[in-house]
Amino acid sequence: EIVLTQSPAILSLSPGERATLSCRASQSVRTYLAWYQQKPGQAPSLLIYDASNRATGIPARFSGSGSGTDFTLTISSLEPEDFAVYYCQQRSTWPLAFGGGTKVEIK
Amino acid sequence: ELQLVESGGGLVQPGESLRLSCAASGFTFSNYDMHWVRQITGKRLEWVSGIGSAGDTYYPGSVKGRFTISRENAKNSLYLQMNDLTAGDTAVYYCATDRIYYSTSGKRVWTGMDVWGQGTTVTVSS
Repeated sequence: EIVLTQSPAILSLSPGERATLSCRASQSVRTYLAWYQQKPGQAPSLLIYDASNRATGIPARFSGSGSGTDFTLTISSLEPEDFAVYYCQQRSTWPLAFGGGTKVEIK
Repeated sequence: ELQLVESGGGLVQPGESLRLSCAASGFTFSNYDMHWVRQITGKRLEWVSGIGSAGDTYYPGSVKGRFTISRENAKNSLYLQMNDLTAGDTAVYYCATDRIYYSTSGKRVWTGMDVWGQGTTVTVSS
């Protein structure tokens, strides 16, 4: 069973700053990793699939990288609407798994 | 518009059963894999079951033997039968869809869970 560990748990930044979120897998997930954004009271929404591909309609300030066990989600310049919780998820092997989440909060 | 709408949540007592439904529209339901994902208030997301387009099913150990996922392609519907419920199953339950396909260059592509429902709340309490 693959475990995904996200860090940091909380990231306190100001609008306009760069955010770097990490997701580490307990074993290789190749590039079968996705990133989701979740705002309070809403369902998660897909940002990045296959580690580095932006989903439809996602702004270019969001980028994903990595393969194997180490992945990064970067938000190049935080907009007010980007303050939310971010989750990574793997679909390399069953059972599927989500990471514990990183909350990006306003400093 | 691609849409998933869950229903069937509610308040049940420990040990009871509940059946959730998810109605899909705006896409060819039979071509997609489907999943149930739950979230305890304020906590992380937890994948609780998946069913492939061919009807193959998958579960994590935490629900295996108690939960059953099924689909009815003719009705564009996904279901989750939950038995022997406990307080630990109290959560918002989302259905979501994803797909694995091969690009024109032969590369295997996973779409990520790109469509989610709004969620239905299950509360297990005496």
